[in-house]
Amino acid sequence: NAGVTQTPKFRVLKTGQSMTLLCAQDMNHEYMYWYRQDPGMGLRLIHYSVGEGTTAKGEVPDGYNVSRLKKQNFLLGLESAAPSQTSVYFCASSYSRAPGELFFGEGSRLTVL
Amino acid sequence: GQNIDQPTEMTATEGAIVQINCTYQTSGFNGLFWYQQHAGEAPTFLSYNVLDGLEEKGRFSSFLSRSKGYSYLLLKELQMKDSASYLCATYNAGNNRKLIWGLGTSLAVNP
Repeated sequence: NAGVTQTPKFRVLKTGQSMTLLCAQDMNHEYMYWYRQDPGMGLRLIHYSVGEGTTAKGEVPDGYNVSRLKKQNFLLGLESAAPSQTSVYFCASSYSRAPGELFFGEGSRLTVL
Repeated sequence: GQNIDQPTEMTATEGAIVQINCTYQTSGFNGLFWYQQHAGEAPTFLSYNVLDGLEEKGRFSSFLSRSKGYSYLLLKELQMKDSASYLCATYNAGNNRKLIWGLGTSLAVNP
């Protein structure tokens, strides 16, 4: 089983460029999340989804957009990248009956110059 | 408000026992989770406590006291591979079903 897969694993962007991070899970989980992790800041929730076609804002949603057109996929978009968005991004998913037990992807390291 | 506190760093010796504490303040508490995160990797789920008491799972045990807002993770027979960051998180069913994360405790296991 692949579990949760994120692509790309690494990316370098210039300020103002756009990009999309893709998350795919094969566990039929209802809930999906996008986090960023920065030194000294811990895991911070960007956006999340409780089902296909639904999304909601987390703690730090500004500068990001998401879409969940299919249950297994959750896309995170940066429309105009800024150096403050340099971070490690983690996608995670969970069953609705066990929403605290998250399964994480391997992470995507994004650098914005 | 929601707040989680855990020590920033701890050091222990291979073969020993270490206890990592976590205190929390939250309304509508609905569970306490521990995750392990090795450097450069993603967090992985370790344990879940929703009732008071000790949950044992192999070398790892987790304890919860809801009245004190307190939990600990106990690691026995430490191995070098246990060197990692340990994240405490609370779940609040009223908080739009989201986890509140601590900053993590970085554990270094020395030979």
